[in-house]
Amino acid sequence: EAQVTQNPRYLITVTGKKLTVTCSQNMNHEYMSWYRQDPGLGLRQIYYSMNVEVTDKGDVPEGYKVSRKEKRNFPLILESPSPNQTSLYFCASSLLGRPNQPQHFGDGTRLSIL
Amino acid sequence: DAKTTQPNSMESNEEEPVHLPCNHSTISGTDYIHWYRQLPSQGPEYVIHGLTSNVNNRMASLAIAEDRKSSTLILHRATLRDAAVYYCILFSGAGSYQLTFGKGTKLSVIP
Repeated sequence: EAQVTQNPRYLITVTGKKLTVTCSQNMNHEYMSWYRQDPGLGLRQIYYSMNVEVTDKGDVPEGYKVSRKEKRNFPLILESPSPNQTSLYFCASSLLGRPNQPQHFGDGTRLSIL
Repeated sequence: DAKTTQPNSMESNEEEPVHLPCNHSTISGTDYIHWYRQLPSQGPEYVIHGLTSNVNNRMASLAIAEDRKSSTLILHRATLRDAAVYYCILFSGAGSYQLTFGKGTKLSVIP
């Protein structure tokens, strides 16, 4: 089954403790992206990647890092998490990211930073 | 990306058709119209997209006005599983290929 898989689905952690949220897709997509969803603010893009080793900032990249060493994986790294990064995170992928192509989303990761 | 306007909420009876409207009067010629939906506790799910012509797929139909300033997502037979927030998005693919989600329409399905 074609899917975008995120792990973990839920995480409660403390300020400053590095964490990684993994994202993997099995559709051979070149484009991948991370969003965060907050009440009243909708989904906002954090980082995106057009292909392996090609990443760029979205609208809210501060406090996050990403890497794209393999086509299927696009991990989101919080080196020193803070409470304002408590949010619901979604990974998405698309064949090439073009507007005539759908984007596929994971089921989300709910992060709570205490 | 250009802006869309959708009703905040709509209700439908189960097994009846649902027409979800979207206005996008400032759409540009290269904007694709995308629809996604988000069920509670899940990620956004792609529903359908189109440019100028009406489109059908297994989930829904998309009717696009001739001047492209509005569109309608049609669910032919609503089920309880269709209760979700539906987002109409204009996607030009400029820059980061980001989908810009608005507030959407919350669809309630009454058994």
